[in-house]
Amino acid sequence: EVQLVESGGGLVQPGRSLRLSCAASGFTFDDYAMHWVRQAPGKGLEWVSGISWNSGSIGYADSVKGRFTISRDNAKNSLYLQMNSLRAEDTALYYCAKERVGRAFDIWGQGTMVTVSS
Amino acid sequence: QSALTQPPSASGSPGQSVTISCTGTSSDVGGYNYVSWYQQHPGKAPKLMIYEVSKRPSGVPDRFSGSKSGNTASLTVSGLQAEDEADYYCSSYAGSIHVVFGGGTKLTVL
Repeated sequence: EVQLVESGGGLVQPGRSLRLSCAASGFTFDDYAMHWVRQAPGKGLEWVSGISWNSGSIGYADSVKGRFTISRDNAKNSLYLQMNSLRAEDTALYYCAKERVGRAFDIWGQGTMVTVSS
Repeated sequence: QSALTQPPSASGSPGQSVTISCTGTSSDVGGYNYVSWYQQHPGKAPKLMIYEVSKRPSGVPDRFSGSKSGNTASLTVSGLQAEDEADYYCSSYAGSIHVVFGGGTKLTVL
């Protein structure tokens, strides 16, 4: 079964750090680019960051550039998001998503919730 | 990296057709044929409905169709059914692995 499972979310104080993980299974992980997409409570989807299959191409939304770092370990079929200097506006459900041919996200995880609050 | 513009809401009666627009710029929607549409039911992860402007993934009913003209893409849902009631988001490739989403449209089946 093709699956993405996120973990690492939780309650964190402003200014602190958190590392999200996404475990992939059921497909050849290192064939595909991967992304993080977030959704604040009651709000829409926001693309956060993406990484190509070989980590040669990486991009960030302006809202997280300089604070978040995306990475992947193809040997472990895993995607990561290191989040530093967290702000209240980073509070959201963070989804891991697989990019298919056509620059679309065909597989999504169930999301991991990040709450930034003192 | 401005969000694509979608109407906040749309509605139609069962059996009718409804079209949702998604307006971007020449740097995203107008510059690439990589527009996607996602359906999201409450409490669920998004589901891919349309990719590359007008292609449907396996399992998506042909009641869902997509198109694009210039900087504006559209999703049409024909023969509306109760289960189509959901939030719909467009997205576009914006170059260098960047992607931009629309603000979302809440579709109500009357």
